[in-house]
Amino acid sequence: DTEVTQTPKHLVMGMTNKKSLKCEQHMGHRAMYWYKQKAKKPPELMFVYSYEKLSINESVPSRFSPECPNSSLLNLHLHALQPEDSALYLCASSQGRASGRHNEQFFGPGTRLTVL
Amino acid sequence: AQSVTQLGSHVSVSEGALVLLRCNYSSSVPPYLFWYVQYPNQGLQLLLKYTSAATLVKGINGFEAEFKKSETSFHLTKPSAHMSDAAEYFCAVRAGGTSYGKLTFGQGTILTVHP
Repeated sequence: DTEVTQTPKHLVMGMTNKKSLKCEQHMGHRAMYWYKQKAKKPPELMFVYSYEKLSINESVPSRFSPECPNSSLLNLHLHALQPEDSALYLCASSQGRASGRHNEQFFGPGTRLTVL
Repeated sequence: AQSVTQLGSHVSVSEGALVLLRCNYSSSVPPYLFWYVQYPNQGLQLLLKYTSAATLVKGINGFEAEFKKSETSFHLTKPSAHMSDAAEYFCAVRAGGTSYGKLTFGQGTILTVHP
């Protein structure tokens, strides 16, 4: 299985809602990532988890809260978002640092988020 | 710090023509370089990667790229374009050290293929 899955595919939420994005991989990867991609722009890194620990937070606002319950799952909890947070949210995974491999990242299909 | 510059936000070719997408990088350490393709409303798919094993890298779908250290370039080519190649292409560099795993992307190049 060389797939990263993301749910839901689409999400519409109001500014007062709380929602979560989910990401799952079964490739045995120990690094997982959240990216945000605005229209006609490249993906921008938000968070990196390495061996289930948060290793990189790219100064993301606290209304985005990541969680890594185990090595296969990655969540992104959303609360009090703004309309400018509307974007495609991409999850990715790669082998962990200790693997000695060159760690290409495998991306999921993304969740298209619209904040009203 | 690493950075990537993709020359040309839009490239248009005829079906069967050569595809050339340009990427220049800046890196203070030997870089790991990647090309990804993104079809509309989809995630990114890895086309190929440079990891210092060979300067000419072959990828999927007939694409290849050549790493030229003297030119700090990693241009993507395909001898004969197909309609299905129409997509957006991103060049990316991966940092090492404390930023291990972080990919820095170029701005992307949209490839259009005309019949």
